[in-house]
Amino acid sequence: QQQVKQSPQSLIVQKGGISIINCAYENTAFDYFPWYQQFPGKGPALLIAIRPDVSEKKEGRFTISFNKSAKQFSLHIMDSQPGDSATYFCAATPNSGGYQKVTFGTGTKLQVIP
Amino acid sequence: SAVISQKPSRDICQRGTSLTIQCQVDSQVTMMFWYRQQPGQSLTLIATANQGSEATYESGFVIDKFPISRPNLTFSTLTVSNMSPEDSSIYLCSVFHNPNEQFFGPGTRLTVL
Repeated sequence: QQQVKQSPQSLIVQKGGISIINCAYENTAFDYFPWYQQFPGKGPALLIAIRPDVSEKKEGRFTISFNKSAKQFSLHIMDSQPGDSATYFCAATPNSGGYQKVTFGTGTKLQVIP
Repeated sequence: SAVISQKPSRDICQRGTSLTIQCQVDSQVTMMFWYRQQPGQSLTLIATANQGSEATYESGFVIDKFPISRPNLTFSTLTVSNMSPEDSSIYLCSVFHNPNEQFFGPGTRLTVL
């Protein structure tokens, strides 16, 4: 019940295309859903996050779509660029205020080709 | 935000030896977290380190194998003891800020021969 399932495991997208990464969860106590971007040799960095009271959040070329009834959320990268090539992790945590244990997805390795 | 540094950035060690990884944060934090990321895998929490108390270990991780120190509110160390090739991994230090925003250090890439 604590799992966050992420797909696809890897993704190749042409420059300018849309990259879509999907995550699904079971635990209805999760109420904060961040996405992390990790470049080789670096630690993960927070990219964007959403709470379940909204269905979409956009920051620049990055958008999270959230479907509470389906317990799914996804990351869309518009106009994908080679510099977006990285591994992306979705995550979920069950508490809006204060630290709670974070459950990470298995990661998606994105390659954007010119 | 929080800026986290780790030392060493990478190391190659012999089986049976131990390595201590240092984590320094640029602000005072109550809890610091140590993760393991095996090649191509997700992040697995090893333990939570509170200043002034024993670290709390996750299932599958024990203090004898991964002793942790937390001498003050900006610093922690993780030791990987009696290493085997299965310990080859990236070890990451992490803190929370604001309060859900999680920051990670750059990681320590460990190879055990």
